[in-house]
Amino acid sequence: AQKVTQAQTEISVVEKEDVTLDCVYETRDTTYYLFWYKQPPSGELVFLIRRNSFDEQNEISGRYSWNFQKSTSSFNFTITASQVVDSAVYFCALSGQMEYGNKLVFGAGTILRVKS
Amino acid sequence: DSGVTQTPKHLITATGQRVTLRCSPRSGDLSVYWYQQSLDQGLQFLIQYYNGEERAKGNILERFSAQQFPDLHSELNLSSLELGDSALYFCASSVGTTRNNEQFFGPGTRLTVL
Repeated sequence: AQKVTQAQTEISVVEKEDVTLDCVYETRDTTYYLFWYKQPPSGELVFLIRRNSFDEQNEISGRYSWNFQKSTSSFNFTITASQVVDSAVYFCALSGQMEYGNKLVFGAGTILRVKS
Repeated sequence: DSGVTQTPKHLITATGQRVTLRCSPRSGDLSVYWYQQSLDQGLQFLIQYYNGEERAKGNILERFSAQQFPDLHSELNLSSLELGDSALYFCASSVGTTRNNEQFFGPGTRLTVL
């Protein structure tokens, strides 16, 4: 069975602080994909990043960076110099290949509140 | 804007009723997925269609059904509604049916069952 755990239910920071959102996953697949999605207060789910299990290079995109460590089954997300607009719920997800299709298995989400 | 459209945005109905949620995928995407987001269950996969055929099924109740039409739009039908069916229902689409495909989500339909 596949599982994603986001142990941090809610994090509050002050603007310009760095913040790291943790994600730990479980899977028996040797090939898998990990994703992060953002859900702002407006409710839609916004795709942020996809990472495959063979690529352990860290990725940086502007103020966002991701640290994938296969040895600890973690795929953590860091926001540098946080801004109020970063306030949202962030979901980590694992792709699950099924016999003829696929699905995303989501963690419970981490609510990030950035205060000015 | 992800390019995935869902209608209606909000739906309020009574227990025992039946509703239909509609989704149009991004141009060029052949796969459509349905997810349910509720406070107690979180984001849960319901069902996937690819080019008109059902491909994967998750924790979808027997009272729920879906289909994908030749023009690739999809409908999720919820019947004999119960209070616990109140949730945000998302549709997502992707190009193919393999797990490396990013899924792009629509804005969701918020269903309230009174």
